[in-house]
Amino acid sequence: DGGITQSPKYLFRKEGQNVTLSCEQNLNHDAMYWYRQDPGQGLRLIYYSQIVNDFQKGDIAEGYSVSREKKESFPLTVTSAQKNPTAFYLCASSPPGTDTQYFGPGTRLTVL
Amino acid sequence: GIQVEQSPPDLILQEGANSTLRCNFSDSVNNLQWFHQNPWGQLINLFYIPSGTKQNGRLSATTVATERYSLLYISSSQTTDSGVYFCAVALNSGGSNYKLTFGKGTLLTVNP
Repeated sequence: DGGITQSPKYLFRKEGQNVTLSCEQNLNHDAMYWYRQDPGQGLRLIYYSQIVNDFQKGDIAEGYSVSREKKESFPLTVTSAQKNPTAFYLCASSPPGTDTQYFGPGTRLTVL
Repeated sequence: GIQVEQSPPDLILQEGANSTLRCNFSDSVNNLQWFHQNPWGQLINLFYIPSGTKQNGRLSATTVATERYSLLYISSSQTTDSGVYFCAVALNSGGSNYKLTFGKGTLLTVNP
């Protein structure tokens, strides 16, 4: 099946630990994005990547890092520098030549 | 940055009723999308509609770009329509029409 997958669905970590969230797509989409959603709020853009080996900061990049070594994969690392990491994290991608974004199922991160 | 306001914040309907959700934005845009987030967190792309009118089954959307608003119509609502509806826009600026800014959403509850 084609689609966007995120793993794990739920993730628990201790404060001070780095954690990496996975995002994979087999849709041949060029652009990929990471968003954060807090309860009762809309989504906010963390990082985005238009092509392999290139990415840009979004509106709330502090405390996060990404890599884009393969077209299919765009992992997000939540570092210990992120002050309030507990949130719902959503990955999205866009087909070539369009701005329409399609979302994965999300990862709920809880930092204890 | 661009401001996106959605109304109403909450809406409760009886199954079979019709509804209109509104999205106001503060600047010219060339990318506007409506999403539905189901109770499990999955975001589904409903419409890509920077201008004009589109229909898909019981849902339709209209964007009046010159007046900076968009409307989402839901007719003959069903319990499966419940969830949060988000409007997201991107500025027409320097090729960054993929950097979406989300509103806070409208929480729709459809009762049987």
